[in-house]
Amino acid sequence: QVQLKESGPGLVQPSQTLSLTCTVSGFSLTSYHVSWVRQPPGKGLEWMGVIWTGGSTAYNSLLKSRLSISRDISKSQVFLKMNSLQTEDTATYYCARDGLPGYPNWFAYWGQGTLVTVSS
Amino acid sequence: DIQMTQSPASLSASLGETVTIECRASEDIYNGLAWYQQKPGKSPQLLIYNANSLHTGVPSRFSGSGSGTQYSLKINSLQSEDVASYFCQQYYDYPYTFGAGTKLELK
Repeated sequence: QVQLKESGPGLVQPSQTLSLTCTVSGFSLTSYHVSWVRQPPGKGLEWMGVIWTGGSTAYNSLLKSRLSISRDISKSQVFLKMNSLQTEDTATYYCARDGLPGYPNWFAYWGQGTLVTVSS
Repeated sequence: DIQMTQSPASLSASLGETVTIECRASEDIYNGLAWYQQKPGKSPQLLIYNANSLHTGVPSRFSGSGSGTQYSLKINSLQSEDVASYFCQQYYDYPYTFGAGTKLELK
C-alpha cells in the first residue's frame, strides 16, 4: 500500500541547514508528484514545494531562496534542504502525495510527519 | 497567490447536530478544492476533493459543495470521532494554499 515516511534531525541550531528525507513505498516517484508541507505547533498548514514526476520543482515564493527539493528515484526518496533556519521554522514537516497521477491535485496520502525544533 | 479565508475559526456543536464550515478563495478556483480532517498529533486526512467528491472510506455524513470562490464542508449528525480540526486547500494553482483551519469541539 502507499506509504510515506519522513526522517531527519529533531533539533537544528539557528542559522543551520535542515535536511529531511521522505521515503515512499507503494508507488513510483515518476508517476506521482510529492510535496512538502509544514505546520508550526498549534498553527495551520503551509505548502513548501513540490517535485514533479519529471523531476522539476516548484517552491513557495516565501521560502524559495532557502529551499531545495530533490529525489533519488532508485531509493524512492525525496529530499528537503532548507538553509538559514530560524526559530519560526520550528514545525512538523510532512511529505504528501498527490491523489492522481499527472496533474496537480489534492493530497491523498500524507506521511506521519517529523517535528523539527530550531533552538540553540 | 490565492488566499483562502476559512470560517469559523472554532465551532462548538452537540452530538447529532449538523455543522457547516466555509471557505472563500480570493479568486475563482474552479472546484480545485479539498477538505482535510486533522486530529491532535496526527497527519491531515483527506475528506473531500474536487469540492464535492467524497474520498474513499470517508463516512457519507461528510459532504462538500460550492463553486467559484465559495465552498463549504457539511457534517451531518455529528459524531464524537468528528472532533478535530478541519482545513480547506486550493490546488487550482501553485502555490497551493490552505485555510487557517476550524477547530470543532463538542458542546
